[in-house]
Amino acid sequence: SSELTQDPAVSVALGQTVRITCQGDSLRSYYASWYQQKPGQAPVLVTYAKNNRPSGIPDRFSGSRSGNTASLTITGAQAEDEADYYCNSRDSSGNYVVFGGGTKLTVL
Amino acid sequence: QLQLQESGPGLVKPSETLSLTCTVSGDSIRGSDNFWAWIRQPPGKGLEWIGSIYYTGTTYYNPSLKSRVTISVDTSKNQFSLKLNSVTAADTAVYYCARGLDLVATGDWGQGTLVTVSS
Repeated sequence: SSELTQDPAVSVALGQTVRITCQGDSLRSYYASWYQQKPGQAPVLVTYAKNNRPSGIPDRFSGSRSGNTASLTITGAQAEDEADYYCNSRDSSGNYVVFGGGTKLTVL
Repeated sequence: QLQLQESGPGLVKPSETLSLTCTVSGDSIRGSDNFWAWIRQPPGKGLEWIGSIYYTGTTYYNPSLKSRVTISVDTSKNQFSLKLNSVTAADTAVYYCARGLDLVATGDWGQGTLVTVSS
C-alpha cells in the first residue's frame, strides 16, 4: 500500500480552481513533486520542491504543503488539464521514494 | 535536448530476469548532478518507483523490490540499466527510465516500454 494517499477522482468546472491533495506522514519533513499523465503518455513533472515549476509548465499550476498534506492547485482549469495527477516524495525514513495512488481530474 | 530511450525484450518468461537499458542522449551521465531512475506502471494502475542511481554508482531501491533489483550505470556508453529477477505476472508493466533533478523530482522521462511476463 502507498504511504501517500490521494483522492481517486476530482472534478472541476472549466475555468475554476481545483486543489488536488496528497497526504502522508513523510510530507511533514519532505516536499512533494507533482506529475500530470495523459493517456498513453509518460508523466510530466509540473511542480516540485517548495513550489517550483519546470520550464514550459503554465503558472496556473502551483504546489504547496501544510502539515502532512501536499497540494497541487490549478487556478483556472483548462480542458487540456484533464489527466491523471500523481504526487511523490520521500518515505518517512527519507531513504526511498513513494508515489501516491493518483487522482483522475475531470474538467467539466 | 535530453532524450532517454528504453530498450529490451517486450516479453519475459516467469521466473526469468527482466533486463532493460536506458540510453541517454543530450546529457552526460558522468559527472551529471542528477539521479537516474526506473519507474514502472502496471496496465491501468499507478506509478511505482523501482529505484535510482547516482552517477557515482550509489543506488537507492524500493524496499519491496530490493531483493530482486539491480540498477547499474555504464558511463562509457552513457547508459543505465535495470535487472529484475524472478519475475512474475505482477511485474508486467510499462517501464520508464527517467532523469531526476533530485531523488524525488523526476523531470525527464523516456517514452516507456511495455514488458509482459508470460510463458
